[in-house]
Amino acid sequence: AQSVTQPDIHITVSEGASLELRCNYSYGATPYLFWYVQSPGQGLQLLLKYFSGDTLVQGIKGFEAEFKRSQSSFNLRKPSVHWSDAAEYFCAVEMNRDDKIIFGKGTRLHILP
Amino acid sequence: KAGVTQTPRYLIKTRGQQVTLSCSPISGHRSVSWYQQTPGQGLQFLFEYFSETQRNKGNFPGRFSGRQFSNSRSEMNVSTLELGDSALYLCASSRTGNEQYFGPGTRLTVT
Repeated sequence: AQSVTQPDIHITVSEGASLELRCNYSYGATPYLFWYVQSPGQGLQLLLKYFSGDTLVQGIKGFEAEFKRSQSSFNLRKPSVHWSDAAEYFCAVEMNRDDKIIFGKGTRLHILP
Repeated sequence: KAGVTQTPRYLIKTRGQQVTLSCSPISGHRSVSWYQQTPGQGLQFLFEYFSETQRNKGNFPGRFSGRQFSNSRSEMNVSTLELGDSALYLCASSRTGNEQYFGPGTRLTVT
């Protein structure tokens, strides 16, 4: 069955440090890929998406993600985190057009001052 | 442009009761998806409606149902509530199905 794995449940980084959140998917073809962020008590906000083309995708709030077909990965990165980035981050995939979207379990990001 | 709105934001129900949650999508969006979010299971897909038709369905029991109206507004209903139904229920709208925009959710507590 198709699945999305976010191996890290919690990650703690210092403010100003770089960040990488991992995401792997299990599927034979290239899916549509997304990263969402959820602040406490809020709904999810789309950070970026990959459908096709350039494998390095730029998103909002200074985030970027790179699709690596050989590794079935879509890792999220940010060169310098801010305290306001503390939130939960979800990777999601849509296997085929008009299919349901499957979310990973999420990674909670903590920021040290 | 107004975002996705969900009503009510908070709800407390008793086991065995039923509940109806409402979602108003972004204007022009024809797809509405529903998710259940719990600490243990994370985000689980319930169903998606597109132009008043259920297009996708998750693995939830028949107690969970939904519908979509001609103006794209959607409701989901949970009958015979169980304690395990306590969760944050999120609605997301989209023009076509992907690139979803989420509402703030309805926090349902079953006692």
